[in-house]
Amino acid sequence: GQQLNQSPQSMFIQEGEDVSMNCTSSSIFNTWLWYKQDPGEGPVLLIALYKAGELTSNGRLTAQFGITRKDSFLNISASIPSDVGIYFCAGQLLGSQGNLIFGKGTKLSVKP
Amino acid sequence: DAGITQSPRHKVTETGTPVTLRCHQTENHRYMYWYRQDPGHGLRLIHYSYGVKDTDKGEVSDGYSVSRSKTEDFLLTLESATSSQTSVYFCAISDQGADTQYFGPGTRLTVL
Repeated sequence: GQQLNQSPQSMFIQEGEDVSMNCTSSSIFNTWLWYKQDPGEGPVLLIALYKAGELTSNGRLTAQFGITRKDSFLNISASIPSDVGIYFCAGQLLGSQGNLIFGKGTKLSVKP
Repeated sequence: DAGITQSPRHKVTETGTPVTLRCHQTENHRYMYWYRQDPGHGLRLIHYSYGVKDTDKGEVSDGYSVSRSKTEDFLLTLESATSSQTSVYFCAISDQGADTQYFGPGTRLTVL
């Protein structure tokens, strides 16, 4: 089936650092979503994007819908300890009445 | 937070036994979904519903059945549980279709 490539798989953050992650595909999407999942809980929607080139912020989080419609980026500015968790991208294929396709996640941990 | 509950939250069962998981929503959303989450695979769609008594298969539907007799409830049944169905199961709801899905807290199922 269709796949989303999410990178990096994992990363370590130090408080105050900026963080970037992305999702790419060979297919075109008409919706991009970013979720965060804490241990033992369900994913929580952070940002939804619906138009190519769209840039949307939610507090310290900023996400962009790539111009090619094949990618999306999530940035976290000035990270804090509660940012740790797993971040997922998800997208709906252009022209599809089908369902969301999920990336495999980026795990954010605190630097030892 | 979207009003989604899942029951039970944890279950241990034996191979060959039937298991039913329940998802209940108070949002009156049209669409409901069942996913499983496994290490290395991310979130994978099992079945979904686009209305009362209207359901369809997802990516990994073999061994699972669903029913939706009321808008607020979506049941997932494992007719004869197998060890490969050990997983964390998430329900999600959406008002507009595949985009902007909201997730429940999950059910951890262990099949011995």
